[in-house]
Amino acid sequence: AQSVTQLGSHVSVSEGALVLLRCNYSSSVPPYLFWYVQYPNQGLQLLLKYTTGATLVKGINGFEAEFKKSETSFHLTKPSAHMSDAAEYFCAVSDPRGGSNYKLTFGKGTLLTVNP
Amino acid sequence: DTEVTQTPKHLVMGMTNKKSLKCEQHMGHRAMYWYKQKAKKPPELMFVYSYEKLSINESVPSRFSPECPNSSLLNLHLHALQPEDSALYLCASSQGGYSNQPQHFGDGTRLSIL
Repeated sequence: AQSVTQLGSHVSVSEGALVLLRCNYSSSVPPYLFWYVQYPNQGLQLLLKYTTGATLVKGINGFEAEFKKSETSFHLTKPSAHMSDAAEYFCAVSDPRGGSNYKLTFGKGTLLTVNP
Repeated sequence: DTEVTQTPKHLVMGMTNKKSLKCEQHMGHRAMYWYKQKAKKPPELMFVYSYEKLSINESVPSRFSPECPNSSLLNLHLHALQPEDSALYLCASSQGGYSNQPQHFGDGTRLSIL
């Protein structure tokens, strides 16, 4: 069974500061990995994904994440936070052996607040 | 702008009412999903349709009844709901339902049960 741990249910940064949101997974095989963002009163929007290939993945809105197999991690970073980045962020994994009808396993989420 | 459209955005209903939630996508995706999301929690999978056939039911109570009339449309029929069913209901779609394909979410229907 897969599981996802997001360390820190709430992260607060100043505008212009580095954003680091942590995600660790537990899986018998390296999973496919996704980061989603949810703004208030909206659905989830895909920020980036890792399936195969380059382990440093760039996404939308200046975010990037690096898959580190040895650390079972997929942390999300952004060099400089904007006020508009304030939202809930979810890390999710899927099983590469899952075939069709796959399920996403979500972490509990991290609320990012950005202070002026 | 999301490419998965859900209607209505808000719904208030009594426990004896019957209502339906609707989800549409025009991206040619062949897998569609219903999720339930409570406040400050991640989404919980309810149902998966793959090529218009129900492929996963996560032991959801029968008061929730999904329907997929065609590849672009997904409905969730509601009947005799309980107050604990109040939540944000999210629809998602993916290209073919395979595990390396991301899911695209709608903005949800916020459901309140009186």
